[in-house]
Amino acid sequence: AQSVTQLGSHVSVSEGALVLLRCNYSSSVPPYLFWYVQYPNQGLQLLLKYTTGATLVKGINGFEAEFKKSETSFHLTKPSAHMSDAAEYFCAVSKSNTGKLIFGQGTTLQVKP
Amino acid sequence: GAGVSQTPSNKVTEKGKYVELRCDPISGHTALYWYRQSLGQGPEFLIYFQGTGAADDSGLPNDRFFAVRPEGSVSTLKIQRTERGDSAVYLCASSLMEGGEQYFGPGTRLTVT
Repeated sequence: AQSVTQLGSHVSVSEGALVLLRCNYSSSVPPYLFWYVQYPNQGLQLLLKYTTGATLVKGINGFEAEFKKSETSFHLTKPSAHMSDAAEYFCAVSKSNTGKLIFGQGTTLQVKP
Repeated sequence: GAGVSQTPSNKVTEKGKYVELRCDPISGHTALYWYRQSLGQGPEFLIYFQGTGAADDSGLPNDRFFAVRPEGSVSTLKIQRTERGDSAVYLCASSLMEGGEQYFGPGTRLTVT
């Protein structure tokens, strides 16, 4: 069975500081990995995804994530936080051929001025 | 172009009543997914369709929940004898093909009183 654990339900950073949101997964097969963002009163939006190939994945809005198989991790980073980054972030995993997503519980990112 | 739409955006119903939630996927998308998001949690997979058939309904919590997609486009999630524990945001997503990138709708907030 696949599962996702997001460490830290709330993360607070200052504007301009590094953003690091942690995600660990378990999967019996090579996983596809995703980060989604959910702004207040809006639908989920895909930030980035890893399927195969390069393990460092770049997404929208300056975010990136690195797939580390040995650590079963897929942490999300952004060098410099912006106020507009404040939102709920979800890590998800799927098997390659179905698209059925298993989500973590989410991390709320707060950005302080 | 138009994204995934869901109706109604909000639904309040009394315990024991029947409800239907509708999802209009992006035109041409063959795969359609239903998820449920309870307060403070990540989305939880319910069912997905490839075309008209349910390819995986393993996430439906019990036989009160049923979903259809008779013409391979619009889908309806049906909940019988609603319970207060069914209160959640029900999310729909579609993708061009099975396993492809999922585009999420804004969700239907269901409240069972």
